[in-house]
Amino acid sequence: DQQVKQNSPSLSVQEGRISILNCDYTNSMFDYFLWYKKYPAEGPTFLISISSIKDKNEDGRFTVFLNKSAKHLSLHIVPSQPGDSAVYFCAASARNTDKLIFGTGTRLQVFP
Amino acid sequence: KAGVTQTPRYLIKTRGQQVTLSCSPISGHRSVSWYQQTPGQGLQFLFEYFSETQRNKGNFPGRFSGRQFSNSRSEMNVSTLELGDSALYLCASSMGVDTGELFFGEGSRLTVL
Repeated sequence: DQQVKQNSPSLSVQEGRISILNCDYTNSMFDYFLWYKKYPAEGPTFLISISSIKDKNEDGRFTVFLNKSAKHLSLHIVPSQPGDSAVYFCAASARNTDKLIFGTGTRLQVFP
Repeated sequence: KAGVTQTPRYLIKTRGQQVTLSCSPISGHRSVSWYQQTPGQGLQFLFEYFSETQRNKGNFPGRFSGRQFSNSRSEMNVSTLELGDSALYLCASSMGVDTGELFFGEGSRLTVL
């Protein structure tokens, strides 16, 4: 059973617009969430994270929102750039563990 | 259908020993990739296999090796274990035709004493 779900396998967005990638989780013990970005032929690289004590974390063009009551987080990329085209993974971990549970990924394509 | 299965789930070794971890991908998936997850380094890519061939390799020493069998099952081996090899080793499978989705296993937690 997937504890972390990314229900949209792919997303296509025009350059300059906002990209919104969504992630849902089922385990209420998760208290730390991360987004990873993966280019073809490479491993995932860390992008941004958020702790459950916050509902928003921003880093440049990237913002992650956490809605604990809905067990939902989202990654916003504004403005989207062609170089953002990659697969994005959401991951979660529970307090006092270092184990990350990954979603299956969403492929983002940013076109000119 | 069954997910990605990794065995063993937990193991303890001592320095200098070697270890073999196994990964059974989702049925029909031809690509298997391996990752090392540690608190300090996060998630690091080890290698990827597709149709029994190593397609990509991360920046790990030669002590780390792997292989893939004709049924897509994969093994990774670490020889001459060091304390720093203690980590969670994750396997992920995919169709391997650049669909993007990766399905991760539960991981094998290796402790080196």
